[in-house]
Amino acid sequence: SQKIEQNSEALNIQEGKTATLTCNYTNYSPAYLQWYRQDPGRGPVFLLLIRENEKEKRKERLKVTFDTTLKQSLFHITASQPADSATYLCAAKTGFQKLVFGTGTRLLVSP
Amino acid sequence: DVKVTQSSRYLVKRTGEKVFLECVQDMDHENMFWYRQDPGLGLRLIYFSYDVKMKEKGDIPEGYSVSREKKERFSLILESASTNQTSMYLCASSDRGLGWVVDTQYFGPGTRLTVL
Repeated sequence: SQKIEQNSEALNIQEGKTATLTCNYTNYSPAYLQWYRQDPGRGPVFLLLIRENEKEKRKERLKVTFDTTLKQSLFHITASQPADSATYLCAAKTGFQKLVFGTGTRLLVSP
Repeated sequence: DVKVTQSSRYLVKRTGEKVFLECVQDMDHENMFWYRQDPGLGLRLIYFSYDVKMKEKGDIPEGYSVSREKKERFSLILESASTNQTSMYLCASSDRGLGWVVDTQYFGPGTRLTVL
């Protein structure tokens, strides 16, 4: 079955460093991947989308890459800040009108 | 600003009670979804609706039903609540996602349901 995998271990980094989160997909080739941010006790919020024909997408301090050979997307936050601490979810389209979500990776940015 | 609202942020119910969770969106989206989210399991799709009165089972529909009588409103019903339905419930809506249109999902704030 179609599957999205993210590292379940929390990522701890120092303020100012670049955070890199990984999303791997198996058993299919999504036309695009989406990244969401989720704060504790809140619903996910859409951040970025990257299509299969795009190698890289940027939005302010965020950068997403999409490698269809490796079946992987990387999500980078440059110059990270404590306010970036949250869980980040990767999602891809599956079937009719639906998305499949990864379990998310928790990012902790220390001052 | 797009908005998805859910009827309650926190809810406590007793085993066997019938529970209604309501979701309203103001974006004129065709698609609406109900998920539950549990630690380590991520978001799991319970049901989704792609049009008024239309619904499709998700990955974990057992013990749940849904109703969509109006385009903006999607209700999740727990026919007889059980303790294993204690969870965070999230509603979302999206555009149809046909052609070049992307089906980004917009989520509500969630309802934390506790069944005692």
